[in-house]
Amino acid sequence: DVKVTQSSRYLVKRTGEKVFLECVQDMDHENMFWYRQDPGLGLRLIYFSYDVKMKEKGDIPEGYSVSREKKERFSLILESASTNQTSMYLCAMGGSGSTTDTQYFGPGTRLTVL
Amino acid sequence: EDQVTQSPEALRLQEGESSSLNCSYTVSGLRGLFWYRQDPGKGPEFLFTLYSAGEEKEKERLKATLTKKESFLHITAPKPEDSATYLCAVQGGSGYSTLTFGKGTMLLVSP
Repeated sequence: DVKVTQSSRYLVKRTGEKVFLECVQDMDHENMFWYRQDPGLGLRLIYFSYDVKMKEKGDIPEGYSVSREKKERFSLILESASTNQTSMYLCAMGGSGSTTDTQYFGPGTRLTVL
Repeated sequence: EDQVTQSPEALRLQEGESSSLNCSYTVSGLRGLFWYRQDPGKGPEFLFTLYSAGEEKEKERLKATLTKKESFLHITAPKPEDSATYLCAVQGGSGYSTLTFGKGTMLLVSP
């Protein structure tokens, strides 16, 4: 079974805090993705990585950064959390490069910024 | 720019009442169309991948079909446990294997 794990299911942080969300996959896929999901807006891609230390901006990268030091881990960083970053964050993995491969999702982290 | 529109936004069915969900898309060079199921508070769960017009895939009470402009998810004799949000996504022909998602159809099946 494909497994993507995320470090926390629920997280509450204060405005201005630095927040780390971690994602770990067990399938040796090169591609990993971070999305946020908001009511009425659907899933939006924040950043993705196609190899260790490689990253590309998605549709809404502002206010976020990422880190991929090892193939199986992909971290999303909120440098200074703001209330408009309250959302459901979803990590996914799948395929390599530009292949047509299914993306498999983790359980999600519900982040609340107060 | 790839676009995905799902309809209806919400659908309420009685148990056993078959229906279809629609996913219309515009994409330059479709590489794949994906269907996911998402339960409240959880991550999307993969259902199907369709690659070319005319293709069909089935899983239990669900059947996905694909044309050049849209995909349908047919639900036959649904049960309450089929209640969920169903998401459609496309992968276009250029660049990396990123997906563009629709906003989903929320399905509620009443006993």
